[in-house]
Amino acid sequence: AQRVTQPEKLLSVFKGAPVELKCNYSYSGSPELFWYVQYSRQRLQLLLRHISRESIKGFTADLNKGETSFHLKKPFAQEEDSAMYYCALQELDTGNQFYFGTGTSLTVIP
Amino acid sequence: DAGVTQSPTHLIKTRGQQVTLRCSPKSGHDTVSWYQQALGQGPQFIFQYYEEEERQRGNFPDRFSGHQFPNYSSELNVNALLLGDSALYLCASSLVSGHGRLGSYKNIQYFGAGTRLSVL
Repeated sequence: AQRVTQPEKLLSVFKGAPVELKCNYSYSGSPELFWYVQYSRQRLQLLLRHISRESIKGFTADLNKGETSFHLKKPFAQEEDSAMYYCALQELDTGNQFYFGTGTSLTVIP
Repeated sequence: DAGVTQSPTHLIKTRGQQVTLRCSPKSGHDTVSWYQQALGQGPQFIFQYYEEEERQRGNFPDRFSGHQFPNYSSELNVNALLLGDSALYLCASSLVSGHGRLGSYKNIQYFGAGTRLSVL
């Protein structure tokens, strides 16, 4: 069963516009949710995790348990935000396995 | 600190062969997870090693096996290679806090650059 769904494979926004990358999950227990980012020619790296409640590079993500969503948002997109973004879920109740979504490729148009 | 290192970076094999991929975790980390990333897909969890034991496994056949050494480095072995095994194989390391098979897992995963396996 698909634990993490990212409905948009590609997303383009203009520089300075708001951006939202969608992530929905399916898990009945207590999940830990993450956003990972992969910039061109770089390795996958953690962007943020929901328990930290941090804002990294202007990005925030709120866990909505009612809608089982963990959308990533930024009010003003920058060209350097162009990258591949993956939402990931960690099952804390059943052994800590990670599930990744299929990813969203974000392009910020100058 | 070189971070997570994987070798080799690229590998070409033929169907039926066996392959071994290697991973050295980030300094101070004791847990290694392996992922398969097919083209256009997100990473798929293969298994995780902690204290030299496989502690969690994803939905992969027994042809996929692994090992963790006392220095925390790890190997991924794939036997009887199929064309569909062609993918980027990622290693991620982390530090488990807590004890036991289902110890807490609060630290983030650091990924290696991956090994690109092509099966012809």
